[in-house]
This record gives sequence, C-alpha cells and structure tokens, in this order.
Amino acid sequence: QLQLQESGPGLVKPSETLSLTCTVSGGSIGGSSYYWGWIRQPPGKGLESIGTIYYTGSTYYNPSLKSRVTISVDTSRNQFSLRLTSVTAADTAVYYCANVKEGSTLFDSWGKGTLVTVSS
Amino acid sequence: SYVLTQPPSVSVAPGQTATITCGGNDIGSKSVHWYQQKPGQAPVLVVRYDGDRPSGIPERFSGSNSGNRATLIISRVDAGDEADYYCQVWDRTTDHYVFGPGTTVTVL
Repeated sequence: QLQLQESGPGLVKPSETLSLTCTVSGGSIGGSSYYWGWIRQPPGKGLESIGTIYYTGSTYYNPSLKSRVTISVDTSRNQFSLRLTSVTAADTAVYYCANVKEGSTLFDSWGKGTLVTVSS
Repeated sequence: SYVLTQPPSVSVAPGQTATITCGGNDIGSKSVHWYQQKPGQAPVLVVRYDGDRPSGIPERFSGSNSGNRATLIISRVDAGDEADYYCQVWDRTTDHYVFGPGTTVTVL
C-alpha cells in the first residue's frame, strides 16, 4: 500500500513562491504505473485539482493555474514537488498529494494534507 | 472547462436513504467517482467508475450515471455517514481532473 506524505512551509508571504514536497513510501515512483498529483482545498471550500506528473516528467496542469504551477519529480528521492508562484491569500488551502493509477481516472491514495497560509 | 454541479446540502433521517446528484453535460459518457470527506481528514473514495465500490466500502453505498446526471445513493444512513461528498471526473479535452463543489450530508 502506497503512502504519501506532504511537507513544506506552513506560511508563505504574498507574491512569493509556495513549495511543497510529497514523499512516497511503500513503492517506487520511478518506473511505476502511476501519475502523481496535487489537489488543494481552501478552508471551508471544495477540492481543486492542481496537476499531475508521470515519472517520465510529463505534466498536466489545471488550465486555471497553469501559468503559475510547476510539478516536478525526483525519482532518486522518491518524491515529487509542487511550486506555485506569485501567491495571494486565495492560495491559502490544505494541499494534498495523491496518485492516479495509469489507465485510471481517479485519485487512488492520498496524503493527509498540509495547510499552507499565505499571509504577510 | 468542464463543470460539475451538486446540491450544497442533503438532510436525511437515520435509516433512510440519501441521494446526492452530480450534474454535468453528457456526464453519462464519463466515468464518475465519489469521495467522502470528514472534517480534518483527506477524502476517501467510496464509489468508483459510476457504481463500483472499493474494497472496505459498505454495500450501502451505490451509484449510477446516465445522461446529464450521476447519482450517489447511501442506504440505511447512520450518523457515521455525515460528511461532505464530492463527485469527480476526468476531462479528456484538458487532461484535467474536475471535482464537483461538494454536498454536505447531515443526518437528522
């Protein structure tokens, strides 16, 4: 059973860059049949998919966030990461990492989530 | 981009049936997945591919999908079913995963 764990700063200043890492255990990212993704949830609101990445580096981003988002993968560390630039208070959210089995269209395993607050 | 709609809330008495809808243009041509989320927890998949239950999910959870509406049905509701429920599809045109706005189920 794959386990995912998010990590990163809980507080980011407006206009700066939000950076989070998801560490995968119980399996290897490299050569796996999974896409790795990020989902966020503003306080009291619904879920929003940010994007996904395959271990080869192919990425797929939410069109509404595409200009500010970069997702990358580090197979040597069994991690994948999220960078979101030029953040505002609207980017305050719980950020989840999750995976999608190749050929599937659903999020299989989820991390517990980490709250990131954008504030000066 | 593809848009999903859900009622904000559904209230149901214990032992009764909760019906949660998820609307979208020709959603019947897509695979719909449903997640349950309790406060402070990550979402949990309760129905996948319209009506299939993952291992460990009670038979009380079922789903269907046709036309412009998908439906999640929770039979014999109990207090433990109080949660937010989200539908989700994959939008082929944008290679993007889309969630509905969520429905809060309250057990009276």
